[in-house]
Amino acid sequence: DTAVSQTPKYLVTQMGNDKSIKCEQNLGHDTMYWYKQDSKKFLKIMFSYNNKELIINETVPNRFSPKSPDKAHLNLHINSLELGDSAVYFCASSQVGRRIAFFGQGTRLTVV
Amino acid sequence: TQLLEQSPQFLSIQEGENLTVYCNSSSVFSSLQWYRQEPGEGPVLLVTVVTGGEVKKLKRLTFQFGDARKDSSLHITAAQPGDTGLYLCADPGGATNKLIFGTGTLLAVQP
Repeated sequence: DTAVSQTPKYLVTQMGNDKSIKCEQNLGHDTMYWYKQDSKKFLKIMFSYNNKELIINETVPNRFSPKSPDKAHLNLHINSLELGDSAVYFCASSQVGRRIAFFGQGTRLTVV
Repeated sequence: TQLLEQSPQFLSIQEGENLTVYCNSSSVFSSLQWYRQEPGEGPVLLVTVVTGGEVKKLKRLTFQFGDARKDSSLHITAAQPGDTGLYLCADPGGATNKLIFGTGTLLAVQP
């Protein structure tokens, strides 16, 4: 059983398209995150949700819109994709107070 | 914003060698974590250190938290190819739960 699962694992798309990445966790955690890892391997936080509410939004273009339908899911929708959006996107979850984050396997997004 | 600088950025060594990776912050950590990320996978937590001067061991890995809680080191003894990966220090973020990662050290252990 995968604790944090993301789909798709790979996504190749053209500039200007709109795409979504889905994330689900079966750990019962109350906090979920999206991170972006660039070509230099730097892992930067984008968003954090606690109990379906947005608590962290780190200066991310508004083309990126996270959506949390319930505590176990945090999806990332990206409008008007740009070349610079190419990266690996990681979903993670944790439980408030425990500070152990579990990560998905990542989604490699390539914009051409 | 707290910056977590890691050094070295890249490290390529032979199997059996020892190595040390460093993590330095511009401010004091409440606690600090080390993660390892293998190719094609997400980061996995290795350890959390909380007290200044704390030393924790995980098999051949030794983690040390600086006395002033502004720096940390990870020492690997007799490295093996299975240790290859990206090592990341992280600040778990205190009350905010905002997990911030360091710049990373990419380690390659050659057989």
